[in-house]
Amino acid sequence: NAGVMQNPRHLVRRRGQEARLRCSPMKGHSHVYWYRQLPEEGLKFMVYLQKENIIDESGMPKERFSAEFPKEGPSILRIQQVVRGDSAAYFCASSPPEGRYYEQYFGPGTRLTVT
Amino acid sequence: KQEVTQIPAALSVPEGENLVLNCSFTDSAIYNLQWFRQDPGKGLTSLLLIQSSQREQTSGRLNASLDKSSGRSTLYIAASQPGDSATYLCAVRVGGSNYKLTFGKGTLLTVNP
Repeated sequence: NAGVMQNPRHLVRRRGQEARLRCSPMKGHSHVYWYRQLPEEGLKFMVYLQKENIIDESGMPKERFSAEFPKEGPSILRIQQVVRGDSAAYFCASSPPEGRYYEQYFGPGTRLTVT
Repeated sequence: KQEVTQIPAALSVPEGENLVLNCSFTDSAIYNLQWFRQDPGKGLTSLLLIQSSQREQTSGRLNASLDKSSGRSTLYIAASQPGDSATYLCAVRVGGSNYKLTFGKGTLLTVNP
């Protein structure tokens, strides 16, 4: 059973460009969580999604950031018009559908660098 | 607002030593507490999960304790090995939004051969 997959692993964008980060949950998992780790900071919760639904986006910046988890395909975290402060590691986690939230399995992360 | 603090930020020990990592949290109304290991360029690996009703959990050379009333947890690593070198993260879940992990900044552990 493959783990949580994230791609790309490294992404370089210039200021003002768009960044798209993808997360494929573990097989059978229908809950996805995104966390951001800024340099010298702990991981911070951004958003929790189930298939086709955003459950909690309280940790996501109100502007430029959006997330989706379509019926088919990976979850996407989209950052529009990136700025240097968006440079961070973005981690995705997934959990089974039966409410076992504590069984969150993390992906390897996407390191975003904004130049 | 829940805040999680980990002390020390970095620790270097010789191989074979027993060591303790500390974690404190400001709101004692937690649902559970989890210790993770983070290796460079890799994701997080769950080490131990302690429910709020439990006092400790053990897995191999690892033992984690929880004192909810004082807002503290410790991770004890026995007979450390170079392969234990990693960043150790402590995270808590709060009831009501127990899917959401609040992390500390971690302790960077280096075990020297």
